Amino acid sequence: EAGVAQSPRYKIIEKRQSVAFWCNPISGHATLYWYQQILGQGPKLLIQFQNNGVVDDSQLPKDRFSAERLKGVDSTLKIQPAKLEDSAVYLCASSILAGETLSEQFFGPGTRLTVL
Amino acid sequence: LAKTTQPISMDSYEGQEVNITCSHNNIATNDYITWYQQFPSQGPRFIIQGYKTKVTNEVASLFIPADRKSSTLSLPRVSLSDTAVYYCLAASGGSYIPTFGRGTSLIVHP
Repeated sequence: EAGVAQSPRYKIIEKRQSVAFWCNPISGHATLYWYQQILGQGPKLLIQFQNNGVVDDSQLPKDRFSAERLKGVDSTLKIQPAKLEDSAVYLCASSILAGETLSEQFFGPGTRLTVL
Repeated sequence: LAKTTQPISMDSYEGQEVNITCSHNNIATNDYITWYQQFPSQGPRFIIQGYKTKVTNEVASLFIPADRKSSTLSLPRVSLSDTAVYYCLAASGGSYIPTFGRGTSLIVHP
């Protein structure tokens, strides 16, 4: 089965510019996650969707970050405007369902963002 | 949400068994313990999950004592390709916030 797809794989921008990342989860997976991973740290959850609804976005810096999953399938994460501290790898993951039993998450390869 | 604590790094040699312990003192009654593996430039990959006692799959075993305040990931006969960062998560299903710590960087030497 195809895995989680992300694009682009790499992006370099200057501070104050905008950037968008795209994620296509595994077919049939209801739950989609966006993580930020700064070098040397573990992934930090930014937002979690179940179908097209937001389950949790408590750690999403909403003044500059936004995400959507309009049709309950693929998703876009946007940063506007970018800051130097946004340099990180942005990981997308999906799972069948976040329900009573914790579902295994499948991660994409990530997008490495460098903000200059 | 249970906070987890793991050693920052470990070293081993090919063919040895490696045990990585994770502490989760305030684990909730319905929390599961899940372990992920991450190689450089890749996303984390699920290894194993358990709730109590022992769980074994084709790549690892997970030991959880009766008080569930800690868990141990056991990798039998490691090889160079097991060099990676290993993360322990303790969280319940439903609307939870999966929280990855810094993980344990395992280096396997020839």
